[in-house]
Amino acid sequence: QSALTQPPSASGSPGQSVTISCTGTSSDVGAYNFVSWYQQHPGKAPKLMIYDVNKRPSGVPDRFSGSKSGSTASLSVSGLQAEDEADYYCSSFAGSNSCVFGTGTKVTVL
Amino acid sequence: QVQLVESGGGVVQPGRSLRLSCAASRFTFSAYPMHWVRQAPGKGLEWVAIISNDGTNEFYLDSVRGRFTISRDNSKNTLYLQMNSLRTEDTAVYYCATAMSGNWWYFDYWGQGALVTVSS
Repeated sequence: QSALTQPPSASGSPGQSVTISCTGTSSDVGAYNFVSWYQQHPGKAPKLMIYDVNKRPSGVPDRFSGSKSGSTASLSVSGLQAEDEADYYCSSFAGSNSCVFGTGTKVTVL
Repeated sequence: QVQLVESGGGVVQPGRSLRLSCAASRFTFSAYPMHWVRQAPGKGLEWVAIISNDGTNEFYLDSVRGRFTISRDNSKNTLYLQMNSLRTEDTAVYYCATAMSGNWWYFDYWGQGALVTVSS
């Protein structure tokens, strides 16, 4: 149950786009389409942003999108806004009734 | 709107026990699996345990299996995490979270978290 690998940081100016990668293995991200993404502001609980690789829960702006290729999932945020500045975590079902989170990426809006 | 409120956190010595509670409201608690997820200070998220909606199935992170027990009381709309033989590396904010999307492995709604500090 090793953590999925994410870049520690990513940044973009307002209105620009940023993409965060989430690299796993053939036992987790590569094996299942059960990938989700969470946004966490400082001192707050995480919030579900994407599930089933690329689906958005009600209320999540369509500026947020997800994709997957092989063992790497990605979260893209277009039209960056100040409120998008937060930590982002991916998660994947890892088989054997367990799941694993990514290492987390801090997104900075310049 | 779904509400989850954790309680029971605090400072405890290594080797001792602590029980967390998560009071659920504004949704049909008995219909959904529930999780515990933790976050060590300044670190990332780590899944800890899940329990089925009727409490008959439980699964755990390898490092807590045998020490932690997840349970629920559907008559009280409350989720529990009994933590025994605590270690310093168990120090974290513990969140309860729902799995309401139809897939056990998504965390739809989260509580505000309860801080557990294991220190001598």
